[in-house]
Amino acid sequence: GQNIDQPTEMTATEGAIVQINCTYQTSGFNGLFWYQQHAGEAPTFLSYNVLDGLEEKGRFSSFLSRSKGYSYLLLKELQMKDSASYLCAETDSNYQLIWGAGTKLIIKP
Amino acid sequence: NAGVTQTPKFRVLKTGQSMTLLCAQDMNHEYMYWYRQDPGMGLRLIHYSVGEGTTAKGEVPDGYNVSRLKKQNFLLGLESAAPSQTSVYFCASSYSSGRVSGELFFGEGSRLTVL
Repeated sequence: GQNIDQPTEMTATEGAIVQINCTYQTSGFNGLFWYQQHAGEAPTFLSYNVLDGLEEKGRFSSFLSRSKGYSYLLLKELQMKDSASYLCAETDSNYQLIWGAGTKLIIKP
Repeated sequence: NAGVTQTPKFRVLKTGQSMTLLCAQDMNHEYMYWYRQDPGMGLRLIHYSVGEGTTAKGEVPDGYNVSRLKKQNFLLGLESAAPSQTSVYFCASSYSSGRVSGELFFGEGSRLTVL
């Protein structure tokens, strides 16, 4: 089947680190995306993983384990502007994206 | 850089009315998509196109039609709107499919309410 699971909501403190997990179940995995979506705005691309391991991009890192069907997005040195929803999406056997419902991240001062 | 532009941004319809959402991209992308986003659910693919003159059904195509007469434009039509089609609609485009890190570029969204 094709099922993406991620927590509905998370809260973290400004300056801290937060990890947002995503699990997927598909027989035709072809890569995993993370997007950021501020309220009332369009999603914007953050990262893409197709091989196992950690991809680092500034304050944001994304990790993938294909054998476990698991990914996480790590946000360091949190800023108030990081308050947003974070969408996990995996590429299926037809190279179309299957999206999770998103994790709403709330940053507190 | 305009990127992906959707019109209209907001629309209120009565049940049974028809309308067309227009999506235009200026990045010469081959792939274009129409998604709907509802609270508590992930983005769901309505229809997509892999090139000018082509269209294909996505996950939730019923009640919608699309056309891709020009490479830069992708139109989404609702022939007879229903309250279940109240949603935020996003158009997106990409240079390639997901096979080659096909990052999607999204429009700002069109908020549609059907009464």
